[in-house]
Formats: sequence, C-alpha cells, structure tokens
Amino acid sequence: DVKVTQSSRYLVKRTGEKVFLECVQDMDHENMFWYRQDPGLGLRLIYFSYDVKMKEKGDIPEGYSVSREKKERFSLILESASTNQTSMYLCASSLALAMDTQYFGPGTRLTVL
Amino acid sequence: QKEVEQNSGPLSVPEGAIASLNCTYSDRGSQSFFWYRQYSGKSPELIMSIYSNGDKEDGRFTAQLNKASQYVSLLIRDSQPSDSATYLCAVTRDNYGQNFVFGPGTRLSVLP
Repeated sequence: DVKVTQSSRYLVKRTGEKVFLECVQDMDHENMFWYRQDPGLGLRLIYFSYDVKMKEKGDIPEGYSVSREKKERFSLILESASTNQTSMYLCASSLALAMDTQYFGPGTRLTVL
Repeated sequence: QKEVEQNSGPLSVPEGAIASLNCTYSDRGSQSFFWYRQYSGKSPELIMSIYSNGDKEDGRFTAQLNKASQYVSLLIRDSQPSDSATYLCAVTRDNYGQNFVFGPGTRLSVLP
C-alpha cells in the first residue's frame, strides 16, 4: 500500500511566522504535489515536483515555497504566514507515468492567528 | 469558464437508489479522468479512473466518459449510507498526464 504521511494533523501559528509542512511517501514515487483545500474552492495546486530538486509552480504559489532534497520528502514552506493561509493542506504523490493516480496524505489543518 | 465543474449538491438519495454524479471539463486535450471520494475531515481516496470513451464498472460503481461532450459521470448503484461523502472529479491537464485539476466536489447524502 502506498503511504503518504504528513508531519502534523493540526497546526496553529501566528501571523508572520515561518511555517514548515513536511510530507513523506514510502513508495519511491517521482511526483509529489502540495494542494490546499478550502470550502467552495475545492483542491487547488500550490506546487509540484517531478524529481529531486525540481519544482514547478501550480495555480496559487504566491506566499509559498517548496523544497525537495530527497525523493521521498517534499516540504511546503510558508515564508511569513498570513491569516488567509488558514486552510487544509494536502500532500499527494504519484509515479512518473502518464495517467497514474495521485495518492493523498491525511492532510494538515493549519490555522494562522 | 472553470476548468472542471460539478454540481455542488447536496445530492440526497434514499438507501438502495442509484446516485448519479456529473462532471464537465473545458480542456479537450484532457486524457485521463478520476473520481475520488472524500469523507468529512479525511483526505481524498481514489474510487475509479477512466481513460476511454464508454463505461467502466467496478462493483457498485460505474464511470462513464464522453470526450466529445467533455463529460464524465459516476453512478453508484444500491447506494448505502456509508457512501455519504463528497465526490471529487479530477482531470489531467498537461501533456505528461501527471498534473490534475480538481472540480469543487459534489456532496452526496444517502438517507437510510
């Protein structure tokens, strides 16, 4: 079974703090993705990576950065957290095959006060 | 126009009935289509994928794809209360087929 884990289920931070969200997958997947999910807006892609040290912007990259130093780990960084970044953050991974499905982690619910 | 559209619901059906969930997409180049189920407070889990026009059946679930009409649907037969969840339609949107765009989801409620 594919397993995608995220470092925290719930996180509360203050405005202006630097926030790190970690994602680890154990199936040797090449692709990793970060989404945020908000009521009425659905899942929106923030950043994705096709390989180690590679990153591509998604639909809403502003205010975020990512790091992928190892194949199994993909980190999302909020450089200076703001209240409008309060959301559910979901990490996903997939094989580097066309049409392969994405497998999701349990999510991190981040609240920025 | 949004890339992927779904009826937001809630869609309510009685137990044992057929639930029909619909999804339309705007990119004619999309090649792969996925249905995910998401329970409240949980992450999405894959139900079905479909790549060719026509029907694909898996147990109580049937996915239907019509690329000419840019339409994909999910039918759930003999609906159970445990099917109550939000159903997300996902469509690939790049040439490599690895980058998805998700619809907003349809909330399904199966009434006992």
